[in-house]
Amino acid sequence: ETGVTQSPTHLIKTRGQQVTLRCSSQSGHNTVSWYQQALGQGPQFIFQYYREEENGRGNFPPRFSGLQFPNYSSELNVNALELDDSALYLCASSPGTLPNTGELFFGEGSRLTVL
Amino acid sequence: RKEVEQDPGPFNVPEGATVAFNCTYSNSASQSFFWYRQDCRKEPKLLMSVYSSGNEDGRFTAQLNRASQYISLLIRDSKLSDSATYLCVVRRGGGGNKLTFGTGTQLKVEL
Repeated sequence: ETGVTQSPTHLIKTRGQQVTLRCSSQSGHNTVSWYQQALGQGPQFIFQYYREEENGRGNFPPRFSGLQFPNYSSELNVNALELDDSALYLCASSPGTLPNTGELFFGEGSRLTVL
Repeated sequence: RKEVEQDPGPFNVPEGATVAFNCTYSNSASQSFFWYRQDCRKEPKLLMSVYSSGNEDGRFTAQLNRASQYISLLIRDSKLSDSATYLCVVRRGGGGNKLTFGTGTQLKVEL
């Protein structure tokens, strides 16, 4: 186990609704990244949080937002859900800047279905 | 054009076979390279980093050709437990934790 926990594991929403996904990082890890993985695709970087501030963002619209808390846990919020938002949302933690090993520790993900 | 491209497969091979996966990347600023493994409906996990000199970890060998912007993974003596999706991953220079993943190549090892 990676020590990264995500909740909920599965959820179903309808178009236009809002969703909040949660992530607890591995002990000692102060950086959290979020990825979206659509079916049959590789994970795509959404954004990263370090010391409670966003410090990197992928090509996702502003309706994707996040937070990081003092204990380094994090939330991903998606507003105005669209059908294409259906995906596995992966949270990954790391101890600050990614080491050269490239190892991100992923949680098992939250599988979102938008109807 | 996608930043990281892989043949999606699936590759169906018999147990004991040798199989090779290829990957190309388009951004010459990419500095670090990795292979991740993802089992069905599970999270990705680091399989191995890829170095310019090539590197080996047991039955797995990774190669990098910076001039051609090409990465490969060779699996020898395939096991049933090797069945998974193999994701080619690159990271740009300048720090940061953004990893760019390919779509993955699915491997099925059969009896």
